[in-house]
Amino acid sequence: EIVMTQSPATLSVSPGERTTLSCRASQSISNKLAWYQQKPGQAPRLLIYGASTRPTGIPARFSGSGSGTDFTLTISSLQSEDFAVYYCQQYNDWPLTFGGGTKVEI
Amino acid sequence: EVQLLESGGGLVQPGGSLRLSCAASGFIFRSYGMSWVRQAPGKGLEWVSSVSGSGGSTFYADSVKGRFTISRDNSKNTLYLQMNSLRAEDTAVYYCAKPVFWPGGFDSWGQGTLVTVSS
Repeated sequence: EIVMTQSPATLSVSPGERTTLSCRASQSISNKLAWYQQKPGQAPRLLIYGASTRPTGIPARFSGSGSGTDFTLTISSLQSEDFAVYYCQQYNDWPLTFGGGTKVEI
Repeated sequence: EVQLLESGGGLVQPGGSLRLSCAASGFIFRSYGMSWVRQAPGKGLEWVSSVSGSGGSTFYADSVKGRFTISRDNSKNTLYLQMNSLRAEDTAVYYCAKPVFWPGGFDSWGQGTLVTVSS
């Protein structure tokens, strides 16, 4: 099983700041990585797939990078609506696995 | 617009069974593999199971293998999860999810249905 490790577990930031979240895979997953945002009581929302591709409708302030085992999600200027929990997920191999999440708080 | 609507959750005793359904619309259902993802209260996301577009290939997390069965009816645009021998640790919100492409990142999610396993 590919283990996905996210760091840090919690990130305290101020609106307008740039922030970077990390995700590491226990073995190479090429670029088969997705990032999600989840707010309380809501289903997750896909932010990035293919490590760096934004789906239609996702703001450009969200960007993803990396390949192999190390990945990052960058939020260029945090907005109030961006405070949430972020998860990475690999889909290179079965079982599909998620990271434990990073909570971005004020 | 893609819509996924889960149903079938509820309270069940340990050892009991439950069948979840996910009604899909807004896309060509048979063309997409589909998945179930769950989230225990206050915890992270856990992939549960996936099925290919034709239904011919299925995949399970070790935690549910042998107890859960994923299936689909492409004539009804509906995904199912039959859950048997339920345990307290199966308590979670269960989401159905559609990938961008198989098995890929999930770009559409249902609202979730809560399964509570308790005596």
